[in-house]
Amino acid sequence: EVLLVESGGGLVKPGGSLRLSCAASGFTFSYAWMSWVRQAPGKGLEWVGRIKSKTEGGTIEYAPPVKGRFTISRDDSSNTLYLQMNTLKTEDSAEYYCTCNSGYHTVYWGQGTLVTVSS
Amino acid sequence: QSALTQPASVSGSPGQSITISCTGTSSDVGRYNHVSWYQRHPGKAPKLMIFDVSDRPSGVSNRFSGSKSGNTASLTISGLQAEDEADYFCSSYTSTSTLYVFGSGTKVAVL
Repeated sequence: EVLLVESGGGLVKPGGSLRLSCAASGFTFSYAWMSWVRQAPGKGLEWVGRIKSKTEGGTIEYAPPVKGRFTISRDDSSNTLYLQMNTLKTEDSAEYYCTCNSGYHTVYWGQGTLVTVSS
Repeated sequence: QSALTQPASVSGSPGQSITISCTGTSSDVGRYNHVSWYQRHPGKAPKLMIFDVSDRPSGVSNRFSGSKSGNTASLTISGLQAEDEADYFCSSYTSTSTLYVFGSGTKVAVL
């Protein structure tokens, strides 16, 4: 069974930092392209960024609203995906989902972890 | 505001067929055959139902089918069943720097 379990969410002040983790199991993580997707309260889903597998270059791409502030990384030895979020803004408040991609679609989703940016 | 437009709700009786639309632009739905559909039950992770417009993953019922015309993709559920009651959202690859866009979601009710 495939499992993606996010953790690390919480309440943080504007300008602060937070690191999200996603523990993956049930598939060969090192071969997978992984992404983060978020959904703000009452809003639609928004793609945050993607990291390719190391065997395919490990390229990382980010959505414009988070580029320069967020960093995606992976540890294939522990099957874990990370999202380092710096200089957080109130508009970054959202449920953050870890996803596993294949081709141009998402095959698996996690349950999400909630990030609230508020003073 | 979502990049792809879906109706807020669609309903049907058991056994009927319903269709959910997903309207984008010439930069996403109209440009690529990389539209996918997901089913989300409350409290559960979304499940992939259709990818690349009309392909079904292994294990997904053939009652679910997808199509596309111009800038609009569609998901059809035939032989509607109570277990199909859920939220459905679409996604498309896009030529913009965002890479992927999503629909606003459609709540399917089985009457």
